[in-house]
Amino acid sequence: DTEVTQTPKHLVMGMTNKKSLKCEQHMGHRAMYWYKQKAKKPPELMFVYSYEKLSINESVPSRFSPECPNSSLLNLHLHALQPEDSALYLCASRFPGTHEKLFFGSGTQLSVL
Amino acid sequence: DAKTTQPNSMESNEEEPVHLPCNHSTISGTDYIHWYRQLPSQGPEYVIHGLTSNVNNRMASLAIAEDRKSSTLILHRATLRDAAVYYCILRDALNYQLIWGAGTKLIIKP
Repeated sequence: DTEVTQTPKHLVMGMTNKKSLKCEQHMGHRAMYWYKQKAKKPPELMFVYSYEKLSINESVPSRFSPECPNSSLLNLHLHALQPEDSALYLCASRFPGTHEKLFFGSGTQLSVL
Repeated sequence: DAKTTQPNSMESNEEEPVHLPCNHSTISGTDYIHWYRQLPSQGPEYVIHGLTSNVNNRMASLAIAEDRKSSTLILHRATLRDAAVYYCILRDALNYQLIWGAGTKLIIKP
C-alpha cells in the first residue's frame, strides 16, 4: 500500500461550523504533513508531525487545529473559518530522514461560505 | 532563504524531449534540489532529486550546473500523461523542509 488517503474529497462549510479533515497512510511513515494550496500556487506548509509529536507549526491561525492520534492517522480540525481559508488541503507523509521523498494524498477541496 | 525561479509555462510536442529549467542562484552548499509534479486534480508526486551530480531515474533526468546556480529537469520522451505543473524545490539544509518554487505548467501537444 503506497497511498495517502484523504477524506472527504470535497467539503463545504459555513463560518460557524466545526469540521475535520482526515488523512491515513499505512506505509509506516513517521513524519506527516499538512499543506494548504490556493489555486495556481505552490503548496504552503502548515504543520509537521514527527513520531506523532508536532514539530513544526508555520504560524497557522488557531482556527486550524492538527491532531495525530497514532502513527497512521492525521486530522485537521476546523472551526470558525473565513472565506479566505477556502483552498485545497493536502496531507503528505514520509519516512523521517534527510532524503526521503514525500507521498501526497489527492487533497480535500474546502469551500468556506 | 534561497528560492527558485521557473518559467510560468512551457509547451512541447508529444514524444519529444522536454527540458524544464530552474534558477536557484542563492542556493547554499548543502541544499538539495528536488522536483515534484502535480497532475490535474491530484496531489504533488515526487520526480527526482540531487545535490551536485546529474541524476537519472525511470521518470526523468536531472542535470545540475557545475556552480549549482541552475538545474534542468529532462523528460526524455514526453507523453500526454506528463502534462502537469512541475515544481523545482530546494530542501532546506537546516530543517529539511521543502522551499517550493512557483512551478512550470507543462503543456503537451499531440
